[in-house]
Amino acid sequence: DTGVSQDPRHKITKRGQNVTFRCDPISEHNRLYWYRQTLGQGPEFLTYFQNEAQLEKSRLLSDRFSAERPKGSFSTLEIQRTEQGDSAMYLCASSLSSGTSTDTQYFGPGTRLTVL
Amino acid sequence: DAKTTQPPSMDCAEGRAANLPCNHSTISGNEYVYWYRQIHSQGPQYIIHGLKNNETNEMASLIITEDRKSSTLILPHATLRDTAVYYCIVRVHDNYGQNFVFGPGTRLSVLP
Repeated sequence: DTGVSQDPRHKITKRGQNVTFRCDPISEHNRLYWYRQTLGQGPEFLTYFQNEAQLEKSRLLSDRFSAERPKGSFSTLEIQRTEQGDSAMYLCASSLSSGTSTDTQYFGPGTRLTVL
Repeated sequence: DAKTTQPPSMDCAEGRAANLPCNHSTISGNEYVYWYRQIHSQGPQYIIHGLKNNETNEMASLIITEDRKSSTLILPHATLRDTAVYYCIVRVHDNYGQNFVFGPGTRLSVLP
C-alpha cells in the first residue's frame, strides 16, 4: 500500500504528558498537511509543509504544538503538556504540487488521541 | 468558515442513485469543487473534483451548474459501504498550497 500512513493509530495519555505522532506521506509528495478533527465536526487545518519548510500555521496550533518535517519526507507532530481538550483525531494529508497537478490531498487513517 | 452549505443528512435506498447537493454561491472563478467522504473512524477519502465541466470517475459523477453556484455529487448505484459523511469543499489552486476548509458535511445513510 503506498498511501499515507500514520503512527500510532491510537494513543491514550495522561494530562500533562507529551505525545508525538508520525506521518509518512505518499512517496514523492512534496506537500504535507496536519488537521485535527473532534467528534461530529469536519477536520480543521493545523499546519502545512512544502518540502521541509513549514509555510502556514493555524491559530489552533498553540505554542504547545510543534510540527517538523526535517528531510522533506515524514513529519512529526508533538503536543507538549497535553490537556483534555487535545483529545481528537489527528489527520495527516499529502499532495503533489507541480505545474500540471491539481494538488489533490490524500489523507491518512489518523491518530486518535485520548487525554485522561 | 466553510464556503459551502450541505444538508446535514440524507437517506438513500441500496442500489439507487444517491444525489448529494452542495451550494457554493460565493465561489470564485479559480476555485475548484472537491468532494471527500469519511467513513466512521477513518481518514477522509478523495472522491472527485472539478472546475466547471461535469466530471466522472470510477467512484462518482460531479455535476456543476453553469453559474457554478452549486453542484451535485452522484453515486450511481449506492451500496451499504457508501454510508459515510460526504464533504463538499471549494479551494483555489495556486503555487502556495491551501488547506481544505471542511464544513459539517452530509451524513448519507444507505438503507437496505
